[in-house]
Amino acid sequence: AQSVTQPDIHITVSEGASLELRCNYSYGATPYLFWYVQSPGQGLQLLLKYFSGDTLVQGIKGFEAEFKRSQSSFNLRKPSVHWSDAAEYFCAVGAAGSSNTGKLIFGQGTTLQVKP
Amino acid sequence: GAVVSQHPSRVICKSGTSVKIECRSLDFQATTMFWYRQFPKQSLMLMATSNEGSKATYEQGVEKDKFLINHASLTLSTLTVTSAHPEDSSFYICSAREGLLYGYTFGSGTRLTVV
Repeated sequence: AQSVTQPDIHITVSEGASLELRCNYSYGATPYLFWYVQSPGQGLQLLLKYFSGDTLVQGIKGFEAEFKRSQSSFNLRKPSVHWSDAAEYFCAVGAAGSSNTGKLIFGQGTTLQVKP
Repeated sequence: GAVVSQHPSRVICKSGTSVKIECRSLDFQATTMFWYRQFPKQSLMLMATSNEGSKATYEQGVEKDKFLINHASLTLSTLTVTSAHPEDSSFYICSAREGLLYGYTFGSGTRLTVV
């Protein structure tokens, strides 16, 4: 079955510290992978996406993610966290090669808290 | 970049009434839009896929008669919650994709409260 797992429900880091949010997926086809961020009461903003090519993907706000096919992972990283990064983060997978009608499967989300 | 506008952002309605939520793609055409429901502190649950000019495709367990979806044009999809009850209170979000190599763009969501 297709699924996305974010093992960490809640993570707390100090401002300025590095961050890694984990994401593992199970998908029968070649996946398209996404990371989104959601502030309270808001919609989702795309941080970055992986379709093909270089497995290290750069996104907005200083985030990056690395696709590791052998580990079925797409972990999100940031070298230095800012207080404004506190939010909910979602990893999602969609089918590669499909039309733009393909639906996304979301992980459970990881809540990031940033300590001053 | 692609923008998806969703209205209203908040709505409070009485139990038994119907509420319509609009989702518009502002600068691109979307033959397909997606409707999600999100409970507090939880992930997004796909409710249905809205197809322009045809019937929506509902996910298992989603009541078609309660959540009416209409996709009348390439830029507009609507979700109508019919005969709303307090258990329908939730955060509803729509999304659309400009093209195959683009990410999915999400609306800002609608907080529905049924009293």
